[in-house]
Amino acid sequence: GDSVTQMEGPVTLSEEAFLTINCTYTATGYPSLFWYVQYPGEGLQLLLKATKADDKGSNKGFEATYRKETTSFHLEKGSVQVSDSAVYFCALSAPMNYGGSQGNLIFGKGTKLSVKP
Amino acid sequence: SQTIHQWPATLVQPVGSPLSLECTVEGTSNPNLYWYRQAAGRGLQLLFYSVGIGQISSEVPQNLSASRPQDRQFILSSKKLLLSDSGFYLCAWAKGGATTEAFFGQGTRLTVV
Repeated sequence: GDSVTQMEGPVTLSEEAFLTINCTYTATGYPSLFWYVQYPGEGLQLLLKATKADDKGSNKGFEATYRKETTSFHLEKGSVQVSDSAVYFCALSAPMNYGGSQGNLIFGKGTKLSVKP
Repeated sequence: SQTIHQWPATLVQPVGSPLSLECTVEGTSNPNLYWYRQAAGRGLQLLFYSVGIGQISSEVPQNLSASRPQDRQFILSSKKLLLSDSGFYLCAWAKGGATTEAFFGQGTRLTVV
């Protein structure tokens, strides 16, 4: 079945450091890919998305490129801030016409990021 | 614009007591609806999803049930809570029939004592 694997945390960085959180997926057909962010005590918020191969999603300085050849969607940011401390989830949405359960969203286990001043 | 409401925000319940968590969506029709659980230090576990009124798919056998009595209302229930039901419960919606992002409620912190 479809699945998402992301690097385990926690990840601890100093402010202004470069961030990479790896994410790979297994899916039938052509899923859409997402990164969500969860701040302490809150629900998840969409950070960025990409709906087809080679698309780059970007938001708030974060970027991720949909790489079909490596089935990856790694999250990057050039210079992290303390306010970026949160849990980050990689996810995919399986399309119906490729056997995906209608509307079924599949999440990775999340990666906790802590940024120190 | 679309909004999602989930309540209560926190809940402390004794073992063996019933549970009812409610989620409502505004500003859209015929959404796909989801209940997730997030245990401490773990990722999201999909519990139930629904593509329409009265249509519920269960992903994990457990002590919980879900119902969708109206198009934009999704309820998570239990007749008798277990200690292992403690966790952070998240409701979400997504547009049906398309691969789009999900929108999450603020979550309910359930502690079973």
